[in-house]
Amino acid sequence: ETGVTQSPTHLIKTRGQQVTLRCSSQSGHNTVSWYQQALGQGPQFIFQYYREEENGRGNFPPRFSGLQFPNYSSELNVNALELDDSALYLCASSLDPDALGEQYFGPGTRLTVT
Amino acid sequence: AQKVTQAQTEISVVEKEDVTLDCVYETRDTTYYLFWYKQPPSGELVFLIRRNSFDEQNEISGRYSWNFQKSTSSFNFTITASQVVDSAVYFCALSLYNNAGNMLTFGGGTRLMVKP
Repeated sequence: ETGVTQSPTHLIKTRGQQVTLRCSSQSGHNTVSWYQQALGQGPQFIFQYYREEENGRGNFPPRFSGLQFPNYSSELNVNALELDDSALYLCASSLDPDALGEQYFGPGTRLTVT
Repeated sequence: AQKVTQAQTEISVVEKEDVTLDCVYETRDTTYYLFWYKQPPSGELVFLIRRNSFDEQNEISGRYSWNFQKSTSSFNFTITASQVVDSAVYFCALSLYNNAGNMLTFGGGTRLMVKP
């Protein structure tokens, strides 16, 4: 059974550019959540996808968008990058979207915006 | 809105000492779940425990124990006989039962350094 994987591990972008981060969920998990973790802070919920539909969203602007594919892998897209978008982006998968579901986190993608 | 506070930003102990990490939460909901995660330098969040709001029994797992007190809205985590491998950032988190999206609200984390 493979765990949650994310790619790339590190990324450097320039302000104003667009970025796509990828996540493969754990085998059998149909729910993927994305979190942003700024340096020295706790992760903040961006959104969740369940069966290819957005199933909840945190306090992030529309330039943060996502997709989930039929195999339950997911992408996080960020347009018009700002310096404050520099952070560790964590993906978590779970068996289902309810609050009981234990979330399994990937190693994250470290995004640096210059 | 819910909130999780971890007042201790950094704790340093010597190996074999006991250490308690504090967590205080705020929510108006009566049904919720509390979690502790460990984040080693590799960055991956490792699940440690989940506790629901109706179960106030303390739990012990090896050197780890958790003290949940609804009266003070606290969910503290104690490591007994700490080891260097326990060095990491520890996060307390809250999830509401009626969440649309199983959102975890995290505290700011406590960095634990265990010195040999």
